[in-house]
Amino acid sequence: EIVLTQSPGTLSLSPGERATLSCRASQSITSGYLAWYQQKPGQAPRLLIYGASSRATGIPDRFSGSGSGTDFTLTISRLEPEDFAVYYCQQYGSSPTWTFGQGTKVEIK
Amino acid sequence: QVQLVESGGGVVQPGGSLRLSCAASGFTFGSYTLHWVRQAPGKGLEWVTSLSYDGGKQFYADSVKGRFTVSRDNSQNTLYLQMNSLRADDTAIYYCARDRGYSGSSRVPLDYWGQGTLVTVSS
Repeated sequence: EIVLTQSPGTLSLSPGERATLSCRASQSITSGYLAWYQQKPGQAPRLLIYGASSRATGIPDRFSGSGSGTDFTLTISRLEPEDFAVYYCQQYGSSPTWTFGQGTKVEIK
Repeated sequence: QVQLVESGGGVVQPGGSLRLSCAASGFTFGSYTLHWVRQAPGKGLEWVTSLSYDGGKQFYADSVKGRFTVSRDNSQNTLYLQMNSLRADDTAIYYCARDRGYSGSSRVPLDYWGQGTLVTVSS
């Protein structure tokens, strides 16, 4: 099973600042099958990024993903008030069983 | 529009069983792989199981293998999760989600999610 480790656990930032979230895999992820999801309290997760760097439909361009192999990054260029949430990375396609990272909470400083 | 609506959650005693349903609308249900993902209270997301569009391929997380069974009825646009031998650590919100599959040459994962149904395992 591929284990995903996200860091930091919590990121305290102010609106307008840049957020950089990390996701490290225990083994290389095939074809960059790495996704990022956003989850707000009481809501279902929402797909942000797939294929490590492609934005899902309707996702603002302040969200960007990068990386390959075992190291991936989600960047939010300028935090808007609605971006404060928990973010999860997920590997899919490298094996039939998928896994999520433990999450990074982006909170208002 | 695409909708996924889970139901069937509730309180069950340890060792008991429960069947969850996920009713889908707004898309061609029989063309998509579907997944169940769960989230324990205050915790992160855990992938549980997937079932291919025709029901021919199913995969499970080790934590539920041998206890949970996923199935679907494409004539009723409904996904199911039969949960047996339930334990306290199965307590969670259970979400169903659609696997987008390939969009052009890109492999897209879970693009639509339901709002979830809460399962509580407690005596």
